[in-house]
Amino acid sequence: EPEVTQTPSHQVTQMGQEVILRCVPISNHLYFYWYRQILGQKVEFLVSFYNNEISEKSEIFDDQFSVERPDGSNFTLKIRSTKLEDSAMYFCASSPLRQTNSPLHFGNGTRLTVT
Amino acid sequence: AQKITQTQPGMFVQEKEAVTLDCTYDTSDQSYGLFWYKQPSSGEMIFLIYQGSYDEQNATEGRYSLNFQKARKSANLVISASQLGDSAMYFCAMRVPNAGKSTFGDGTTLTVKP
Repeated sequence: EPEVTQTPSHQVTQMGQEVILRCVPISNHLYFYWYRQILGQKVEFLVSFYNNEISEKSEIFDDQFSVERPDGSNFTLKIRSTKLEDSAMYFCASSPLRQTNSPLHFGNGTRLTVT
Repeated sequence: AQKITQTQPGMFVQEKEAVTLDCTYDTSDQSYGLFWYKQPSSGEMIFLIYQGSYDEQNATEGRYSLNFQKARKSANLVISASQLGDSAMYFCAMRVPNAGKSTFGDGTTLTVKP
């Protein structure tokens, strides 16, 4: 079964550094998402992306964050200047449709640790 | 705006028994989808079961069933014959038309005791 792939699985970075989290969504999916989960807490929506542009973003997704689909397969989340509070698990998800009966397919996540 | 409430931070169940994880939701949309996801300690998010707002029957997937009570706006997950591998965090989520994103509850940590 096709799956969403995220790399790296774990990233450690120093405060103020830029990080890029990478995702390869399922190939025929059209809608892409980033969520984050601070350890043991709820899953928070960051941004959704469709047709090469952001379709929705949360208040968490400020100017420090950006997303890109640089080619036909990768979908990246960039954090320009990381803060300690950015430490979390970041999940990429994709969906073939935007309809209510279409579940999100999640990658295994990237655990970001900011020191 | 949509809201999902899971009032049980943690639940315990004996192996082979059934357990119900509660989920209530709030939305002004008439059409919506409700989902349950499992997150084991390894961290991945696994889709378990889906219920549509217009579905007249409760969804079932193997040992998982969804007790959908539309008037009460509840969508409880029932796991029958619990197994040790069911120990995980469980999230209830909702998707509404044109929103794209899913909204998640805070999750319930289920521990299955041998």
